[in-house]
Amino acid sequence: ILNVEQSPQSLHVQEGDSTNFTCSFPSSNFYALHWYRWETAKSPEALFVMTLNGDEKKKGRISATLNTKEGYSYLYIKGSQPEDSATYLCASDPYNNNDMRFGAGTRLTVKP
Amino acid sequence: DTEVTQTPKHLVMGMTNKKSLKCEQHMGHRAMYWYKQKAKKPPELMFVYSYEKLSINESVPSRFSPECPNSSLLNLHLHALQPEDSALYLCASSQVSGNTEAFFGQGTRLTVV
Repeated sequence: ILNVEQSPQSLHVQEGDSTNFTCSFPSSNFYALHWYRWETAKSPEALFVMTLNGDEKKKGRISATLNTKEGYSYLYIKGSQPEDSATYLCASDPYNNNDMRFGAGTRLTVKP
Repeated sequence: DTEVTQTPKHLVMGMTNKKSLKCEQHMGHRAMYWYKQKAKKPPELMFVYSYEKLSINESVPSRFSPECPNSSLLNLHLHALQPEDSALYLCASSQVSGNTEAFFGQGTRLTVV
């Protein structure tokens, strides 16, 4: 994988559903993986920065896992709420030189 | 203060104009970034400044000229742009170490006519 890729591109779920999306990144060089949440008309907001293989991070109902050997990270949202509706972006920094490359994002819509 | 402030929020400019985008942060971050984002595409890295020195330039056309006059300010000078340069321009800042979060501004929506 040469670029950072995210799937699915978009997702529509009902309030209360749990959901997850994937970020794939080049595993050949890895330093850090970032997750951001971007609500319409706002700034992207950091959720997690992950560096260790097997790491799992959690913030409220949102959690993320990291597999650096195979080059993927999952973001999970438990019990989705309408306020979770946003675009979720991941970014890979392969060399610890602030060269942060983004995927195209997963646009999540949570219906009440 | 965890804010990155970008001005202006919207800019319409002609192909012969010269304009500048501004970005300011007061978090003591020594890495600052410019990204360009077109609809439904990833934010695309343009420039990174580290300790006020240009550390990454992603082969951006010379009609885009970045400047980092001090550790709090980042400018992007625009000259002779093309309509395809119309996009959202995002500024971000972070600690220089890559394992810390970046803080983003709300962006400048640029339209070139």
